[in-house]
Amino acid sequence: AQSVTQPDIHITVSEGASLELRCNYSYGATPYLFWYVQSPGQGLQLLLKYFSGDTLVQGIKGFEAEFKRSQSSFNLRKPSVHWSDAAEYFCAVGAKAGGSYIPTFGRGTSLIVHP
Amino acid sequence: KAGVTQTPRYLIKTRGQQVTLSCSPISGHRSVSWYQQTPGQGLQFLFEYFSETQRNKGNFPGRFSGRQFSNSRSEMNVSTLELGDSALYLCASSLQSGLSYNEQFFGPGTRLTVL
Repeated sequence: AQSVTQPDIHITVSEGASLELRCNYSYGATPYLFWYVQSPGQGLQLLLKYFSGDTLVQGIKGFEAEFKRSQSSFNLRKPSVHWSDAAEYFCAVGAKAGGSYIPTFGRGTSLIVHP
Repeated sequence: KAGVTQTPRYLIKTRGQQVTLSCSPISGHRSVSWYQQTPGQGLQFLFEYFSETQRNKGNFPGRFSGRQFSNSRSEMNVSTLELGDSALYLCASSLQSGLSYNEQFFGPGTRLTVL
C-alpha cells in the first residue's frame, strides 16, 4: 500500500524567505504525486501534480516541486514566501483505481509566515 | 461558476444519532468523492461516486454510506455516531471518472461534532 511522509509538522519562515516542504512517498508503481494547500476554514486546493515527464513541476501561486525517484521524494518549493502562503500543505500520492486517482495524503505541514 | 457546496457547514450531534451531509458538485461534474479529516488520522478517503454508482471505497466501517443522485448531488450518511466521528468532512468533485486525470475541486467541508 502507498504511504506519504511529511517529516515537518510545522515550518516557520520569514516573509520573503525561500521555502521547501519535504515529502517522501512509498508506492510500488509509477507514482502520481500531488501537493494541496488548505487555508483555515477552506477545502483543499491543488497546487501542482506530477504524473510523468519533466521532474520539475510548476504550479500555481509561484510554487514548484521536484520529483526525485531515487530519493522517493517530491519536495515543494517557493523562492519567496508571502504572508498569504500561511496555510496547511498536504502531499499526496494517487493510486489508479476504477478509473480514478485515489489519493493517500501525508499528515500535512503547517506553514507559519513571520512578517 | 459556483464551486462545490456543502451543507450544513457545522453540525452537532450526540452519540448514537445518525447524520446526513450533502454535497452539490460544480455544474457539469459527475464524480463526487468524500474525505474525512481529523487531527488524529489526517485526511482519509471515504468513497467516490460516479454516475450514481460507488466506484471506490476507503477503509471505513459500514456505518458510513453514501449515494449520488441523477443530478450528481451526493449525500453521505453516518449511522450510530461515535465520538471518533467528529471530523471535517470534505467533498470533492471532478468532471468525470475516466482514463485521464481530472482535477478534484474541494468544498469547504462540514464540521461534525459528536458529543
